[in-house]
Amino acid sequence: GAVVSQHPSWVICKSGTSVKIECRSLDFQATTMFWYRQFPKQSLMLMATSNEGSKATYEQGVEKDKFLINHASLTLSTLTVTSAHPEDSSFYICSAQQGSEQPQHFGDGTRLSIL
Amino acid sequence: AQKITQTQPGMFVQEKEAVTLDCTYDTSDQSYGLFWYKQPSSGEMIFLIYQGSYDEQNATEGRYSLNFQKARKSANLVISASQLGDSAMYFCAMRERGNTGKLIFGQGTTLQVKP
Repeated sequence: GAVVSQHPSWVICKSGTSVKIECRSLDFQATTMFWYRQFPKQSLMLMATSNEGSKATYEQGVEKDKFLINHASLTLSTLTVTSAHPEDSSFYICSAQQGSEQPQHFGDGTRLSIL
Repeated sequence: AQKITQTQPGMFVQEKEAVTLDCTYDTSDQSYGLFWYKQPSSGEMIFLIYQGSYDEQNATEGRYSLNFQKARKSANLVISASQLGDSAMYFCAMRERGNTGKLIFGQGTTLQVKP
């Protein structure tokens, strides 16, 4: 149980394009989803917290107009990197939890490379 | 402020031996939760074990056990009978105060199991 699917797993695209990443909880309803960014050999950096039906809460220093988050249902959240540039290249990983007392379950991550 | 510290950037262990990964935390809260996650080179984050601050027993999950020393504010992960597949990065995390469910992650420890 507690499976989180993240798609795509790997993206290469040209500078200036927008990229959408999906995060789905497959066998549970996720009241909250989280989006992280991770640089090589470093820890996870929380970007934003997403609750179904409401606006995402962004961490300090994260541009909300750059990283658009939509949480349209209890099983789906999307992260759109708008007008991506090479400095946006990174590993992005989402997580979902059924309640604030439950552990977060993570997707497999998306490796984003902007040329 | 809440903080998680993992002081071992890298660890080696011989196959079939036990290994302890250190984690210390800092919080003024009485109620908190501690988690360990495993991240293989493929990138996915795998939930391993959870310890609640009021749990009287140390948490165990198969070959994983959590050595919880509340007075010392430590929550070390013990992996018994190491396997080659245990080679990965391991993160200790603490649930942030309040009901957001947000996690504060440590810097991570890279474990390599030698055959």
